[in-house]
Amino acid sequence: GAVVSQHPSWVICKSGTSVKIECRSLDFQATTMFWYRQFPKQSLMLMATSNEGSKATYEQGVEKDKFLINHASLTLSTLTVTSAHPEDSSFYICSANRGSETQYFGPGTRLLVL
Amino acid sequence: KQEVTQIPAALSVPEGENLVLNCSFTDSAIYNLQWFRQDPGKGLTSLLLIQSSQREQTSGRLNASLDKSSGRSTLYIAASQPGDSATYLCAVTSGTYKYIFGTGTRLKVLA
Repeated sequence: GAVVSQHPSWVICKSGTSVKIECRSLDFQATTMFWYRQFPKQSLMLMATSNEGSKATYEQGVEKDKFLINHASLTLSTLTVTSAHPEDSSFYICSANRGSETQYFGPGTRLLVL
Repeated sequence: KQEVTQIPAALSVPEGENLVLNCSFTDSAIYNLQWFRQDPGKGLTSLLLIQSSQREQTSGRLNASLDKSSGRSTLYIAASQPGDSATYLCAVTSGTYKYIFGTGTRLKVLA
């Protein structure tokens, strides 16, 4: 079955630093990947759609300069949280689309900003 | 704008009970609907996927139904077990493939 990985699985950083999270489709090519954020005891909220070779499309209210998304290849998308602050602490989950099939979700990355 | 709501928000049942989780969505023009399970601090586990042309899907003790015209889906869990305790999320997608998630139902099955 299709597998999507995320790295790191968890990260702790100091306020003001930048953090990069990777999302990889391990056994298929994904022209589109999605980034979600989940606050404690809340549902997943779509942040942006990442398209290989083009700029990401951000959902309303998501700062594109703060959450930089790069989809450099058909198997890798990265989310960089720039100048992270404690309010950015959250659970970040990516998903990858394989053709017209369903999406496959990564295991998530827990970010804690001190 | 698509909105997905799940009722109840939390549910606590004794082991062995059959239960129903509800999901409703405001825009019936969906591509598919998917039910997920999420354990605390973990990612998502896909349970059942229902295409827009389908009415229901079954996997083991789980049965999911879809009534697109009324904007509703239900997840039926038979003979619940403590291991079923988790948060259950439904999500719908349109032709753009991006998922809109519901608010979730936190289930606790008591031994």
